[in-house]
Amino acid sequence: DADVTQTPRNRITKTGKRIMLECSQTKGHDRMYWYRQDPGLGLRLIYYSFDVKDINKGEISDGYSVSRQAQAKFSLSLESAIPNQTALYFCATSDRRAGLGANVLTFGAGSRLTVL
Amino acid sequence: SQELEQSPQSLIVQEGKNLTINCTSSKTLYGLYWYKQKYGEGLIFLMMLQKGGEEKSHEKITAKLDEKKQQSSLHITASQPSHAGIYLCGADPDFNKFYFGSGTKLNVKP
Repeated sequence: DADVTQTPRNRITKTGKRIMLECSQTKGHDRMYWYRQDPGLGLRLIYYSFDVKDINKGEISDGYSVSRQAQAKFSLSLESAIPNQTALYFCATSDRRAGLGANVLTFGAGSRLTVL
Repeated sequence: SQELEQSPQSLIVQEGKNLTINCTSSKTLYGLYWYKQKYGEGLIFLMMLQKGGEEKSHEKITAKLDEKKQQSSLHITASQPSHAGIYLCGADPDFNKFYFGSGTKLNVKP
């Protein structure tokens, strides 16, 4: 089984629908991240969490919300999806004990979301 | 915000040729990370550089960090089709965030 699992892997939805992307990890890491990837734009940080009670906005949090249900689970929600949220979404984890400059992220396989 | 500029944006090389990808930061880095992404898939960690002047190699891929810790290069020797994908550099300017460059798409022609 993968260390970081994202579900669903692919989702097509309509404008205005609520969508939840889920992420679970078996790494035992405390930090979890949600990124989105658009062609030519690399990865942009949406939200990040250092533990269940610590959730922070990233570069592009508008239109998104997150929930850290447990140390191993971090979900991303689109309350009312719009077409420009069509993208590839990645969840990642890291271990804060690694220290600054040694903060290797482990990624899930990605969730491809299409909003019509 | 931390910005990482990568060049080139895309690269097409003949199998067997060498190539270099660059990543430049406007700020001194604590660490510089290289990842590879196969098209439409997740990112795989390649290497991490922490010290000025550091160089690391894995198989035919070598990454270097300059002395000022603001620029890194990724060099592939004798490229193979298996090297194709998107290469991204990343950095953690503080404990709160982890940023990526815009990526370099590499195609290797057999």
